[in-house]
Amino acid sequence: GIQVEQSPPDLILQEGANSTLRCNFSDSVNNLQWFHQNPWGQLINLFYIPSGTKQNGRLSATTVATERYSLLYISSSQTTDSGVYFCAVWLPGGYNKLIFGAGTRLAVHP
Amino acid sequence: GAVVSQHPSWVICKSGTSVKIECRSLDFQATTMFWYRQFPKQSLMLMATSNEGSKATYEQGVEKDKFLINHASLTLSTLTVTSAHPEDSSFYICSARGIGQGRGSYEQYFGPGTRLTVT
Repeated sequence: GIQVEQSPPDLILQEGANSTLRCNFSDSVNNLQWFHQNPWGQLINLFYIPSGTKQNGRLSATTVATERYSLLYISSSQTTDSGVYFCAVWLPGGYNKLIFGAGTRLAVHP
Repeated sequence: GAVVSQHPSWVICKSGTSVKIECRSLDFQATTMFWYRQFPKQSLMLMATSNEGSKATYEQGVEKDKFLINHASLTLSTLTVTSAHPEDSSFYICSARGIGQGRGSYEQYFGPGTRLTVT
């Protein structure tokens, strides 16, 4: 089956630092989403990004579908950015399944 | 828009009892709802997919008689953990995908999760 790999698994930042999270996938996918799971467990949709680049405030994401990877950029990190970041992909033809990566656990210290 | 709620947010029950968890799409109609399970410091594991008015499709290894899923309307799905045991303790999260969301019909929106503890 398709493999979704995220790196790094853990990341510690000082407030104000920038970071890049990576998501590699082993096969062609229909769509890709990035989520932030906050410390209370709520998953928050960050980006729905099958290809191209999108920006939302301090966050931006780029997906290069032909090279099977996506990047999530966090600029000027804040303590509220702490949590786990997941990427998840839809299988071609399997519109009912999101396959999640293992996540990147981010801790931002003041 | 695209808000999904879950109830209860946490529940403690005794071994052998059943627990029902509700998942509602508040501002859109969910043609498909999904139930996930998450263990501490792990990723989400899909348990089952339910389409309104039809039987749920369970992932391999998930006991359909233990985890009963009902998707009776376009805004409500329920997960009932029957005869719960301590190993069923986990964080259960639902998500919904539906019509009228405007951003493409594949995007899923997640509920806040339900933390189940079986004693």
